[in-house]
Amino acid sequence: AQKVTQAQTEISVVEKEDVTLDCVYETRDTTYYLFWYKQPPSGELVFLIRRNSFDEQNEISGRYSWNFQKSTSSFNFTITASQVVDSAVYFCALSESGNYDMRFGAGTRLTVKP
Amino acid sequence: GAGVSQSPRYKVAKRGQDVALRCDPISGHVSLFWYQQALGQGPEFLTYFQNEAQLDKSGLPSDRFFAERPEGSVSTLKIQRTQQEDSAVYLCASQREDNEQFFGPGTRLTVL
Repeated sequence: AQKVTQAQTEISVVEKEDVTLDCVYETRDTTYYLFWYKQPPSGELVFLIRRNSFDEQNEISGRYSWNFQKSTSSFNFTITASQVVDSAVYFCALSESGNYDMRFGAGTRLTVKP
Repeated sequence: GAGVSQSPRYKVAKRGQDVALRCDPISGHVSLFWYQQALGQGPEFLTYFQNEAQLDKSGLPSDRFFAERPEGSVSTLKIQRTQQEDSAVYLCASQREDNEQFFGPGTRLTVL
């Protein structure tokens, strides 16, 4: 069975601080995909990244970076120099190979204060 | 439009009423998904279409929930005899060939 845990329910930081959102997953498959989505107050889920299980290279996109470690079944997300516009709920999700539905974590609400 | 659209954005229903939620996917996307997102939770899978075929409806919480996509494009999620526990945001997503899902803004359903 697939499962995603986001232990941090809420995080509050001050603008320009770095912040890391944790994601731990469980799966019995060797082939799977991991995702991060952002959900701003408007409600729409915005795709941030997809990573397959065979690619453990860390990725950086502007102020965003992701650390994928199969040894600890984690796929953590770091925002560097946070901005107020980063305030949102962030979801980590897992999709097993051959499955089309994504299993989402409960989300982490990030508040960035000016 | 360029993205997935859903209507209505907000729906208030009295307990026992039937509701219909509409999803317009991105043109050309074969796959379409419905998710239910309860307050403070992540989205949970309801059902999946490939073109007009409903390939999986295992996530539908009860037989009061029904989804269709008769022409392989627009989809409707219908909830009969709504209950308070049906209150949630209902998200639709369409998927392109590389399996990336694009989500609509959702319909927030409140059952009184």
